Amino acid sequence: GAVVSQHPSRVICKSGTSVKIECRSLDFQATTMFWYRQFPKQSLMLMATSNEGSKATYEQGVEKDKFLINHASLTLSTLTVTSAHPEDSSFYICSARVFGPAQETQYFGPGTRLLVL
Amino acid sequence: GNSVTQMEGPVTLSEEAFLTINCTYTATGYPSLFWYVQYPGEGLQLLLKATKADDKGSNKGFEATYRKETTSFHLEKGSVQVSDSAVYFCALTSLSGSARQLTFGSGTQLTVLP
Repeated sequence: GAVVSQHPSRVICKSGTSVKIECRSLDFQATTMFWYRQFPKQSLMLMATSNEGSKATYEQGVEKDKFLINHASLTLSTLTVTSAHPEDSSFYICSARVFGPAQETQYFGPGTRLLVL
Repeated sequence: GNSVTQMEGPVTLSEEAFLTINCTYTATGYPSLFWYVQYPGEGLQLLLKATKADDKGSNKGFEATYRKETTSFHLEKGSVQVSDSAVYFCALTSLSGSARQLTFGSGTQLTVLP
């Protein structure tokens, strides 16, 4: 199947700093990528839809100025957590949408664990 | 709106036991249905999928059949292994704006004991 990578896999930062997380589709192009947040022992919450060459679409309750998304190429989307605070500590997962004949599938990255001290 | 209801866990089984994780859904139109698996500390991996009614998805000994009449997509495996210990998520796609978005169930933690 299609491979999606994330970098870094784990990051620890001080409160007030900004953290950038990269999501790459390694062997295919993705016009649409998704960013999710997962709290411990909970399901994934969709944060935003990242569209190549246009602005991201954010879900209700997600601050677009807090979570900056850039999808500058067909293989890379970035999520920047600006002025991170301890409550932003979470597991962030991206996915890339792949179209097949009459169907589509999302392939997920391995996730990035963010810890804000 | 769309929603996915999963059997609550955690589920603990002995090796070689039969596994069923129930999943029912509410959706408009004709969603595609998925099972994803998440191993400890990792992201989600697509386990299997079905795109239309009566389709059966299968992979690694796991199966699930898209039942439109009961709006269900139960996950089954005849003989689980310790390596199957993970969290399993049932999901469906819904058309929202210009992109199909996944709606996830709450996840079911499976632990298989040797």
